[in-house]
Amino acid sequence: DTEVTQTPKHLVMGMTNKKSLKCEQHMGHRAMYWYKQKAKKPPELMFVYSYEKLSINESVPSRFSPECPNSSLLNLHLHALQPEDSALYLCASSRRSQETQYFGPGTRLLVL
Amino acid sequence: AQSVTQLGSHVSVSEGALVLLRCNYSSSVPPYLFWYVQYPNQGLQLLLKYTSAATLVKGINGFEAEFKKSETSFHLTKPSAHMSDAAEYFCAVSDLYGGSQGNLIFGKGTKLSVKP
Repeated sequence: DTEVTQTPKHLVMGMTNKKSLKCEQHMGHRAMYWYKQKAKKPPELMFVYSYEKLSINESVPSRFSPECPNSSLLNLHLHALQPEDSALYLCASSRRSQETQYFGPGTRLLVL
Repeated sequence: AQSVTQLGSHVSVSEGALVLLRCNYSSSVPPYLFWYVQYPNQGLQLLLKYTSAATLVKGINGFEAEFKKSETSFHLTKPSAHMSDAAEYFCAVSDLYGGSQGNLIFGKGTKLSVKP
């Protein structure tokens, strides 16, 4: 089973709202990733967690705040987003960092 | 630095025809190579991967790809296209000891259309 789940599937939020995206996997993977994907573009890496520790932050604005409460869960907390942050947010996991990544279905975010 | 070039942002084939999606990579060390497929409004699904074993890699849904070091290519093929193959396809490279630190570097993607 190579399933990564993400909730919610869709999210609409105003620029002053605070919301969270959730990602979960039960494959025993110890690396988890957040990507942002704009329409007709490839995914862009945002964050990498390895053994529940943040190992890579690709210079993402502080209005995006990742959290890895345990080895199965990855959250992305959103606050004071801008309309240009509207995108598909993808979570992925791999057995270890630098190994094959498996993606979730994504959360489509619209910021008004 | 690693990079991936996918030739053709849009490829259109007839149902039953050969599918060929091109991918060339640049890497200073032996890379790992991947093809992912993305159906509309969905995440990325791993089609196949090359990790320095056999150069001809078979994947899901009848797709395969051949690693050619001399040509720095990893083209994706399928002998006979099906309507359900219509999707966006991404080639990606990673390497452990080069600039990507094992993270995926994606190509820009190729949209495959299949005509009845």
